Amino acid sequence: SAVISQKPSRDICQRGTSLTIQCQVDSQVTMMFWYRQQPGQSLTLIATANQGSEATYESGFVIDKFPISRPNLTFSTLTVSNMSPEDSSIYLCSVEGSGQGWDTQYFGPGTRLTVL
Amino acid sequence: AQKVTQAQTEISVVEKEDVTLDCVYETRDTTYYLFWYKQPPSGELVFLIRRNSFDEQNEISGRYSWNFQKSTSSFNFTITASQVVDSAVYFCALSEAYGGSNYKLTFGKGTLLTVNP
Repeated sequence: SAVISQKPSRDICQRGTSLTIQCQVDSQVTMMFWYRQQPGQSLTLIATANQGSEATYESGFVIDKFPISRPNLTFSTLTVSNMSPEDSSIYLCSVEGSGQGWDTQYFGPGTRLTVL
Repeated sequence: AQKVTQAQTEISVVEKEDVTLDCVYETRDTTYYLFWYKQPPSGELVFLIRRNSFDEQNEISGRYSWNFQKSTSSFNFTITASQVVDSAVYFCALSEAYGGSNYKLTFGKGTLLTVNP
């Protein structure tokens, strides 16, 4: 399985600021995903990021709030913009090897975000 | 729409007890994939097993076993002789096609398992 790292591992931010989370994979992958896990809750898919195309956002998530970059096959960033306390969550990236979406997704260690 | 139900929010057992975590799913597709992930207190999500809809064979891996029954749309997970290190949140997930060829992973709400010494 791929080795996935995320930076930062945790952060405490002020309301109204933005934070960019990085996700690095040790091998080339077609599909990368970003999830949000609110406190005590399950994982919710924010968007799917394929290299060379615009990210595809799920219902309830918009590009202005969660802009995503995917400059190459091993790296992606998620920005949480104009943060509010409701954005306090764990943000996880995952990768999937088949390029078709049905293969196993492997997850990074997550970024714990607290917004004051 | 696909849906995954983990009715057990929390389970507490004493070490060495066997425990079964339930997972019931809903899907309209004939081709789909089921997963179990473990999330220990440290927060990372650890992949445990993947099963496709055409393979109903039960699986055993050490103290872990999985029972997949399409007739009841269930994919239950049993830990035998539980240990304190098994304490974690366990998520069941379903990957189903949408839009013809794209797949989306939907998670259940998770079951918090606490194994007491």
